[in-house]
Amino acid sequence: EVQLLESGGGLVQPGGSLRLSCTASGFIFHTYGMTWVRQAPGKGLEWVSGISVSGDSTYYADSVKGRFTISRDNSQRTLYLEMNSLRAEDTAIYYCARGISAPTDWGQGTLVTVSS
Amino acid sequence: DVVMTQSPLSLSVTLGQPASISCRSSHSLVDSDGNTCLTWFHQRPGQSPRRLFYKVSNRDSGVPDRFSGSGSGTDFTLKISRVEAEDVGVYYCMQGTHWPRTFGQGTKVEIK
Repeated sequence: EVQLLESGGGLVQPGGSLRLSCTASGFIFHTYGMTWVRQAPGKGLEWVSGISVSGDSTYYADSVKGRFTISRDNSQRTLYLEMNSLRAEDTAIYYCARGISAPTDWGQGTLVTVSS
Repeated sequence: DVVMTQSPLSLSVTLGQPASISCRSSHSLVDSDGNTCLTWFHQRPGQSPRRLFYKVSNRDSGVPDRFSGSGSGTDFTLKISRVEAEDVGVYYCMQGTHWPRTFGQGTKVEIK
């Protein structure tokens, strides 16, 4: 069974930083591109970032480019999202998902709240 | 960026009646290999999204056959032939052809 477990969310002040993790199991992690998607409270889904199987290619939404960094450690079956210069509008549930063109499996998400 | 436009944004349907959701993209979703990366998701309240269809019309395992996906190029449709209570929630289309990926605004389906 595919499982994706996000962690690292929490309350952070504007301008602060957080690193999210997504630990994968139940599939061969290093053969899949991976995706981060977020959902602000009461809002729709917003694609955030994607990464290739090797980690050599990374992609970002304009809203996070230059502030967020996606990475992966295939030996640890873990996906990361480093978030800097956080803003109130980054407040959301952050989901990791398997695949980069048509994400199949999704985690339960981790809540990030940016507030003073 | 590719803009994905869904309509309607909300739908109130009688049990057993059909429902249809449109998704239009601002650019063709046909990639260099001839594939069309249009995906449909369903999200129930308080749950993570679940994929229903990939590449327009390929149904995921466990998705009832009352659901169907169709379309080409820039114009796509998700249909439910007979709505059941478990179909409530929000439906999203997403394009996976161009970077950055983009979602539609979502269509909220409720039972009348």
